[in-house]
Amino acid sequence: EPEVTQTPSHQVTQMGQEVILRCVPISNHLYFYWYRQILGQKVEFLVSFYNNEISEKSEIFDDQFSVERPDGSNFTLKIRSTKLEDSAMYFCASSELGALNTGELFFGEGSRLTVL
Amino acid sequence: TQLLEQSPQFLSIQEGENLTVYCNSSSVFSSLQWYRQEPGEGPVLLVTVVTGGEVKKLKRLTFQFGDARKDSSLHITAAQPGDTGLYLCAGVPYTGNQFYFGTGTSLTVIP
Repeated sequence: EPEVTQTPSHQVTQMGQEVILRCVPISNHLYFYWYRQILGQKVEFLVSFYNNEISEKSEIFDDQFSVERPDGSNFTLKIRSTKLEDSAMYFCASSELGALNTGELFFGEGSRLTVL
Repeated sequence: TQLLEQSPQFLSIQEGENLTVYCNSSSVFSSLQWYRQEPGEGPVLLVTVVTGGEVKKLKRLTFQFGDARKDSSLHITAAQPGDTGLYLCAGVPYTGNQFYFGTGTSLTVIP
């Protein structure tokens, strides 16, 4: 069964360092998302991506964050200069139809980021 | 930001009991989904409801979308330990193409 894969599963970094989290969405999906989850509870929206550009972003997604789809299969989230409060589980998700067409979100297993 | 509040936040019950989880908002949604998340994994879709007043059943789980499309409930009958997990509602507003997740309900079913 097709699945969303994320790497790394866990990254520990020093405050101020750059981090890149990688995702391979399901191949025929057109809509891509990054979410984060702190303390295993609320899932917070970061950014959505469609047709090779950002379609929406939240207040969390400031200038320190960027996304890229460099090669048609990978979808990356970069945090330029990490802060302690960036520590969270980051989930990549993809959808064939997108939210407005009541498409299903398929999530990866997440990348746990720990900022020291 | 579309705020979706879930209640209760935590719930611990004995196997065989019934429970209801609520998802409330002041915003109107075009559709609403329920996901379940197990530790160490991403959320997995349980159901999508799209019509105000709609009721959907998935074995022992019953989902309802409010008439005004602002709220939803999830009712579990005769809970089992395998139902343990984090339940998340997610709403899609009429404007914007993204899913807003609720605050989550962590359910533990004790054998």
